[in-house]
Amino acid sequence: AQSVAQPEDQVNVAEGNPLTVKCTYSVSGNPYLFWYVQYPNRGLQFLLKYITGDNLVKGSYGFEAEFNKSQTSFHLKKPSALVSDSALYFCAVRGPRRQLTFGSGTQLTVLP
Amino acid sequence: NAGVMQNPRHLVRRRGQEARLRCSPMKGHSHVYWYRQLPEEGLKFMVYLQKENIIDESGMPKERFSAEFPKEGPSILRIQQVVRGDSAAYFCASSPEAVQKNTGELFFGEGSRLTVL
Repeated sequence: AQSVAQPEDQVNVAEGNPLTVKCTYSVSGNPYLFWYVQYPNRGLQFLLKYITGDNLVKGSYGFEAEFNKSQTSFHLKKPSALVSDSALYFCAVRGPRRQLTFGSGTQLTVLP
Repeated sequence: NAGVMQNPRHLVRRRGQEARLRCSPMKGHSHVYWYRQLPEEGLKFMVYLQKENIIDESGMPKERFSAEFPKEGPSILRIQQVVRGDSAAYFCASSPEAVQKNTGELFFGEGSRLTVL
């Protein structure tokens, strides 16, 4: 069965600094990987995905993610964090029936 | 340009009552997924439905929970005889049917927050 691990419950970063939110995955076959963001009392918003192709994937709001097959990782990155990026971030991997399996989430706090 | 619509957004029930949560997928989508988010936790897959069919219910509790997606109307997640542990946010997501239109991501609603007193 597929699984996703987000090793950090909380990430704090100063505004303007680069941020990284970590994700590792386990899946048989080629992985379909996703990042979503959740603001308080809201649903999940899609940020970006990796299906195939370039290992560096660009998404919404200036976010990008780097797929590393040898390390089975898909870390989310942004060169310069904004206070408005503070939210809960979820990594997910697609299962055989197209459902997504989510990690436990990482709370990102960007400090002004 | 309606997205995934869920109602009610908030629902309060007393122990033993029934809760019904509704989800209308995005236009053109015929695949519906239900997820549950417990406080301070991630999202757990519950069930995947297509019109009139349950495709995968591996995440559904064996008792009290049921889901349907009729030919006409919204998908419904039904919880009978609710208990305090059912208090959570329930999210619905949808995706298009056609493989060539399915780019992999799911589109989520704003969620229904159930509180059991």
